[in-house]
Amino acid sequence: GAVVSQHPSRVICKSGTSVKIECRSLDFQATTMFWYRQFPKKSLMLMATSNEGSKATYEQGVEKDKFLINHASLTLSTLTVTSAHPEDSSFYICSANQGLAQFFGPGTRLTVL
Amino acid sequence: GDSVTQMEGPVTLSEEAFLTINCTYTATGYPSLFWYVQYPGEGLQLLLKATKADDKGSNKGFEATYRKETTSFHLEKGSVQVSDSAVYFCALSLSQGGSEKLVFGKGMKLTVNP
Repeated sequence: GAVVSQHPSRVICKSGTSVKIECRSLDFQATTMFWYRQFPKKSLMLMATSNEGSKATYEQGVEKDKFLINHASLTLSTLTVTSAHPEDSSFYICSANQGLAQFFGPGTRLTVL
Repeated sequence: GDSVTQMEGPVTLSEEAFLTINCTYTATGYPSLFWYVQYPGEGLQLLLKATKADDKGSNKGFEATYRKETTSFHLEKGSVQVSDSAVYFCALSLSQGGSEKLVFGKGMKLTVNP
């Protein structure tokens, strides 16, 4: 099946710094990728839809200036958490579309100290 | 709005026990319904799906039937194995500009003991 990778798998950063998370579709091209956030004992919450070559579409309540998404190629989307704070600590998961199917990355655990 | 409610667990079962994970949904229109599974250290994987009422999805011994009258999509397996230990997510999809936007339940952690 289609494979989606994320890098890094874990990151710890100081409050106020920015962190970039990469999402790659390894064996297929994806015009659309999704970014989710997962809190402990909570469901995955869709943050934004990333479209190759155009601006991302953010869900209500998600700050676009804080969570910068760049989908520069058909195999790579990046999520940058700017000026991170402890409340941004979470598990971030991306997925990529191949047709109508979604394939998920393994997730990135972000801890902001 | 559209939402999914599922059993949260965690649940611990013995090998060969019967498994049911309840899932109900609220949606406008006619969504497709999914069960995803997340094994330890891995990403979510599609387990099975159903796209219309009365459809039954099945895979790896798991089954779920799309019940429009009860807005449910309960997951069942007759005899679980240790390798079924994972987190299970019920989800529905909404078409959005040709892409499928997924709405997830909270997930349920299953542990199967030998």
